[in-house]
Amino acid sequence: EAGVAQSPRYKIIEKRQSVAFWCNPISGHATLYWYQQILGQGPKLLIQFQNNGVVDDSQLPKDRFSAERLKGVDSTLKIQPAKLEDSAVYLCASSPRRTGTRNEKLFFGSGTQLSVL
Amino acid sequence: DQQVKQNSPSLSVQEGRISILNCDYTNSMFDYFLWYKKYPAEGPTFLISISSIKDKNEDGRFTVFLNKSAKHLSLHIVPSQPGDSAVYFCAASAKTGTASKLTFGTGTRLQVTL
Repeated sequence: EAGVAQSPRYKIIEKRQSVAFWCNPISGHATLYWYQQILGQGPKLLIQFQNNGVVDDSQLPKDRFSAERLKGVDSTLKIQPAKLEDSAVYLCASSPRRTGTRNEKLFFGSGTQLSVL
Repeated sequence: DQQVKQNSPSLSVQEGRISILNCDYTNSMFDYFLWYKKYPAEGPTFLISISSIKDKNEDGRFTVFLNKSAKHLSLHIVPSQPGDSAVYFCAASAKTGTASKLTFGTGTRLQVTL
């Protein structure tokens, strides 16, 4: 079974530039998450999708971050414009939806390491 | 506000001995807890979980203990192996409406020495 695919693996940009990350979840997984992991911290949820609808985006800085999951499969996360404090690893995760069970068992991709200079 | 805390940034254990990783939480609404393991340059992978209706869950060499009154959980690895060297994240979940949201701790780096 193929895992969660993310690209690019690394990205270096200057502040105020734009950047986009791509994620392809495990086939059949209805729920998709974007997490931000700053060095020395645990992953922090940015946005959660159920199919192509947003379930939770309460911690997404909406003035600069946006995400979409068209057709309920792959997803893109964009930052525009980037700030120095956006330097982090951006992790995509997916989980299957099983009625009546908790779906916190997430399957993570390897992440995109973003450096903002 | 750090709702899930892992106060030990690192831990070193000899091969064959027990590794004990600790985690504390403050939100009494958390009712499901997980441990994830992360190797360098990889995403976290699920290790073991426990529901708040239990106080222990075991899977092979890995056991998670939950003390709800103390808001504390621990992960025991027995016996520890060099391949267990990784960063371990504790995570907690509270069901809000139809969604569940994971809150992660800051991680503990475990090194298993020969």
